[in-house]
Amino acid sequence: GQQLNQSPQSMFIQEGEDVSMNCTSSSIFNTWLWYKQDPGEGPVLLIALYKAGELTSNGRLTAQFGITRKDSFLNISASIPSDVGIYFCAGQTNAGGTSYGKLTFGQGTILTVHP
Amino acid sequence: DGGITQSPKYLFRKEGQNVTLSCEQNLNHDAMYWYRQDPGQGLRLIYYSQIVNDFQKGDIAEGYSVSREKKESFPLTVTSAQKNPTAFYLCASSGGQIDEQYFGPGTRLTVT
Repeated sequence: GQQLNQSPQSMFIQEGEDVSMNCTSSSIFNTWLWYKQDPGEGPVLLIALYKAGELTSNGRLTAQFGITRKDSFLNISASIPSDVGIYFCAGQTNAGGTSYGKLTFGQGTILTVHP
Repeated sequence: DGGITQSPKYLFRKEGQNVTLSCEQNLNHDAMYWYRQDPGQGLRLIYYSQIVNDFQKGDIAEGYSVSREKKESFPLTVTSAQKNPTAFYLCASSGGQIDEQYFGPGTRLTVT
């Protein structure tokens, strides 16, 4: 099946620093999604990317859909303590049939922000 | 408020018992999904449903069953056949084939 490699696995940074994480895949995806999960809660969608090369921002977050459609990155600028959590990338194929809407998730990046 | 609700938040069961986890959405989404999350891991798909009265196995369906009798509801039963049922279970829904999936708050199931 499809595999997503997300890195780094964890990051420890100081408040105010910028953060970058990425996902790579052995397969092509049509959509890339980035989620944030707080402990004991469900993931919350941060950014959705639909086109190769697309660069999208949401406040201090910026994400890009790689040209090859096999990778994506997420940047967080000027981190704050509430950025703490687990960030997941997810790739989606919409080939129809049994592949309808299925997401493949990365393993997650655990972000710790020191005040 | 529109959203996805899962209940209960925490669930404890004895080994050998079946248990049903609830998932309800009022987003008018056609598709619903169940995922399992283990510590330090990503989400793995258990079952999904594109429309009422239809559902498909995901990557780890063994030991689980679902039903989709109403558009708003997609309950998951963890059966006694599931060898390692203790996990965090997440329900999600989406409105179309390439729409984003939105998640509920999750149910943490502990089986002893």
